[in-house]
Amino acid sequence: KAGVTQTPRYLIKTRGQQVTLSCSPISGHRSVSWYQQTPGQGLQFLFEYFSETQRNKGNFPGRFSGRQFSNSRSEMNVSTLELGDSALYLCASSFRQGNTGELFFGEGSRLTVL
Amino acid sequence: AQSVTQLGSHVSVSEGALVLLRCNYSSSVPPYLFWYVQYPNQGLQLLLKYTSAATLVKGINGFEAEFKKSETSFHLTKPSAHMSDAAEYFCAVSDGGFGNEKLTFGTGTRLTIIP
Repeated sequence: KAGVTQTPRYLIKTRGQQVTLSCSPISGHRSVSWYQQTPGQGLQFLFEYFSETQRNKGNFPGRFSGRQFSNSRSEMNVSTLELGDSALYLCASSFRQGNTGELFFGEGSRLTVL
Repeated sequence: AQSVTQLGSHVSVSEGALVLLRCNYSSSVPPYLFWYVQYPNQGLQLLLKYTSAATLVKGINGFEAEFKKSETSFHLTKPSAHMSDAAEYFCAVSDGGFGNEKLTFGTGTRLTIIP
């Protein structure tokens, strides 16, 4: 069974640009969550999608957005990039809502903003 | 709101020695608790989880954790450290329930194994 796939793995952008990151969940998983990981702030929850609807959102500005498609694949977008957006962005999928189960994480997309 | 505190951002132990990584939680409802491990340049992998069943939880790679409600703790242990255990470990909490996939993570503990 293929794991959670995130693309691209590494990318470099400049301030003011926008970026789109992609996540393909494990087959059969309908919930996709996104987390930002930085040395200073650690792991912070961005948002969670289930059945193409955003079910939960963290405390991030509106520049951070996401969506989920009918095949459960998800994308997140960051507009007007700032230096502080440099981070590892992790996607996680799970079979169902209700976190009594396990989140399966991808290897992440490492974004560097210059 | 839920939170977790991991005591010690860096822990070093000798190969073969006991590993003890500390985690204390704060939650207004019975929590679901998790330990994840992250190896360099990789995502997070679940080690074990507590979801209100047995208070002593066994996970992968010989790790286990004990839920102690009176101490609001969920410390991770392994009797004998192996070089391959060198990684960063994260404790996480969720209040579970339908409609909540959000995990709140601790700041992590980097485990170094001394040969």
